[in-house]
Amino acid sequence: GENVEQHPSTLSVQEGDSAVIKCTYSDSASNYFPWYKQELGKGPQLIIDIRSNVGEKKDQRIAVTLNKTAKHFSLHITETQPEDSAVYFCAASRKSGYSTLTFGKGTMLLVSP
Amino acid sequence: DAMVIQNPRYQVTQFGKPVTLSCSQTLNHNVMYWYQQKSSQAPKLLFHYYDKDFNNEADTPDNFQSRRPNTSFCFLDIRSPGLGDAAMYLCASGSSYNEQFFGPGTRLTVL
Repeated sequence: GENVEQHPSTLSVQEGDSAVIKCTYSDSASNYFPWYKQELGKGPQLIIDIRSNVGEKKDQRIAVTLNKTAKHFSLHITETQPEDSAVYFCAASRKSGYSTLTFGKGTMLLVSP
Repeated sequence: DAMVIQNPRYQVTQFGKPVTLSCSQTLNHNVMYWYQQKSSQAPKLLFHYYDKDFNNEADTPDNFQSRRPNTSFCFLDIRSPGLGDAAMYLCASGSSYNEQFFGPGTRLTVL
């Protein structure tokens, strides 16, 4: 089955800096890669996703890149703000009409003012 | 707003006393999922429904059951909760475009 590795497990940055979280996956058939943000006591919130026919996708301060050959994808957050502090999960899924996600173990991002 | 709703947000039960958690979605999605999430861990998929077709994960204990009476609602039944079942339970709905949208979760405490 699919295995998703996520690094780092914790990341501390100063407000205004950039943050990068990296994930690798094992199943070459996976072709859908979402990123979730989870604040304390809340459910995960889908913030951006990418499909295997695209190499990069941006939405304001966040972007995701995908390298299918190397089987890794990354989340980039620019101009970080304290409200970006949360746990971020990457995930991977095969497209089969709907997804069953395999999650990474999460990255706790702390943005200090 | 279209969304995934979970009730209750907090549930306290006693060891061995059955408990039911509920989920509803207004997204008209044909897939609904139940996850268990323990502290500092990733969500773990318990099972999912594609329409009325039930799909159980191989390592989901028999103690966990689910019902989906219609497109909008899905229930998680824990027949005999143990202390190890204390966790956040997350419901999600999904479409044929792969996205999954999560509800706010139900925090289960077992005394």
